[in-house]
Parts: sequence; C-alpha cells; structure tokens
Amino acid sequence: GEDVEQSLFLSVREGDSSVINCTYTDSSSTYLYWYKQEPGAGLQLLTYIFSNMDMKQDQRLTVLLNKKDKHLSLRIADTQTGDSAIYFCAERVSGTYKYIFGTGTRLKVLA
Amino acid sequence: DADVTQTPRNRITKTGKRIMLECSQTKGHDRMYWYRQDPGLGLRLIYYSFDVKDINKGEISDGYSVSRQAQAKFSLSLESAIPNQTALYFCATSALPDGRSTDTQYFGPGTRLTVL
Repeated sequence: GEDVEQSLFLSVREGDSSVINCTYTDSSSTYLYWYKQEPGAGLQLLTYIFSNMDMKQDQRLTVLLNKKDKHLSLRIADTQTGDSAIYFCAERVSGTYKYIFGTGTRLKVLA
Repeated sequence: DADVTQTPRNRITKTGKRIMLECSQTKGHDRMYWYRQDPGLGLRLIYYSFDVKDINKGEISDGYSVSRQAQAKFSLSLESAIPNQTALYFCATSALPDGRSTDTQYFGPGTRLTVL
C-alpha cells in the first residue's frame, strides 16, 4: 500500500544546511509536499513539487525529486533557530482524494 | 485573522462523554478534512467532505462522526470518547483542483484532546 517514510530526528548547527529526506511508495503520485509544524501550531505548507519536475527552489528552500528512487528531499540553506520544527513530507495520490503523510522529521537547530 | 480556525484548542474529558470539535474556514474552499495526529504515526484521515452534501469516511472513522453544517463549517464528534482517542486533531481545507493548481491542503491550528 501507500507509505511515506522519514527519519524521526535531525540536528544541525545554526548556519549550516539541513537536508530532510523522504521516501514514498506510490509511483503515481502527482504532487509531493513539504509542511512545517511549529510547537502548538498546525501544519504550514512550505512548498510542493509536481511529479514531472526534478527540482524546485524557493529562497532558502530547495526540493529535489528523484522519481526513479521515489525519493524527495528538502534542503534548508543557512538554517536558523526559527527553522526548528517538525517537517512532514506528503504525497498526493493520483486520481484520489488521498494525501499520505510521513511521520515527520523533528529538526533541532543548535546555536 | 486565521483562514482555518478550530475550537476548542484544548479539551480534557472523561471516558464515555460526547465531544464535538468545530472547524470554520474563510478561504471559500469546498473541501474539508479531519485528521488526527499521534506521535510517530504522522497524520491519519478520519473523514472528508467535498461539499455540503458529500461526506466520506477516511482510514480511521470508527468512533467518530461528522457534520458539514455549511460550506465553511465542518464538525467532528466523538459520540462516546475513549482514552485511545487522545490525540491532536487537525482540520484542513482545500480548493477544487483546476488545470492550473493542485488541491493543496491548508491546516487549522489543531485541537489537543485528552480523554481520561
């Protein structure tokens, strides 16, 4: 069945780059998303990528999609303490209403 | 003002009580969703509604019911709460996808529910 996997934790130093990885199983996914959840808040859409793209850049965020390996990554350049949060990867399954969410990666930024 | 609001933000209740969680949106979206979030499990879909007369079960609907009172309002009820329904509950909305955009989901701030 459909599944989205992420590592649970990532720790980086302020100013370094962070790379959060995600793997998914449904090759028919049309869109893939990254959401950010800060403590006590809902999920905030960061960015998304259409399945026919390899890369999308938006300011400090770079999304890379490897469809062959079903691998999605989110790179945050110049990571700041305000980037500390849980990051969720999600796929939109083609032809359905369904979003499949990963378990989330907790990013901790050390000063 | 927030586009998707949820009330209450926190609730503690006892086993067997009936609880209603409410969601309102000002985004003008037709589609609304209820999810629950448990540690280590990500988000799981409880119910979704594509318009006022269209309500569907998600992957974990047992023990829950919903009501779509208007385009902007979607309520989730626990008829007889049990401790394993303790979780963080999120409402989300999305627009009908067209040729130019996806039905990206926008989330409310969440309701933390504790069932004792």
